[in-house]
Amino acid sequence: DIQMTQSPSSLSASVGDRVTITCRASQTITNYLNWYQHKPGKAPKLLIYGASSLQSGVPSRFSGSGSGTDYTLTISSLQPEDFATYYCQQSYTTPWTFGQGTKVEIK
Amino acid sequence: EVQLVESGGGLVQPGRSLRLSCAASGFTFDDYAIHWVRQAPGKGLEWVSGMSWNGGSIDYADSVKGRFTISRDNAKNSLYLQMNSLRPADTALYYCAKVGGPDALDHWGQGTLVTVSS
Repeated sequence: DIQMTQSPSSLSASVGDRVTITCRASQTITNYLNWYQHKPGKAPKLLIYGASSLQSGVPSRFSGSGSGTDYTLTISSLQPEDFATYYCQQSYTTPWTFGQGTKVEIK
Repeated sequence: EVQLVESGGGLVQPGRSLRLSCAASGFTFDDYAIHWVRQAPGKGLEWVSGMSWNGGSIDYADSVKGRFTISRDNAKNSLYLQMNSLRPADTALYYCAKVGGPDALDHWGQGTLVTVSS
């Protein structure tokens, strides 16, 4: 199985900060990398698919990049509604696997 | 509007069975793969199982292989998860999610809670 490792596991940031979350796969996943936002009591929300494509309706402050085994989610200017847990997920091969999550908290 | 509504969760004793359902609307159900993802209390998301649009491709996480069975009824716009030999470690909120392109879970339900305890 492909292991997905996110870093950091949590971070504290202020509104307006630039935030970067990284995700490393245990083998190449050829950009089959997706990012989700999850808030307590809500359904997870797809933000980025195919490593860098913005899902319809997602604000442009979210962006994704990377290739091979290393990928990044960037929030260019953190907004109050962005405080949540973020997960990367590979769909290169089954079983699909998620990273352990990165909790973004208010500083 | 795409909607996915899970049902069938509840409290069940270890070793017993439970069948989850996912009712879909707002899209052409038999055009899309649908997956199950779960979240145990205080833990992250864990992919459980997935089925292609026609049932021709099915996959399971190692943790449920041999105990869980995914199925779908395209005439009823519904996906199912038959869970047998349940364990306390299966306690989680179970989500169904639709696969958009390419291979991302673009719409999710609100989840149904399964608690396995004696």
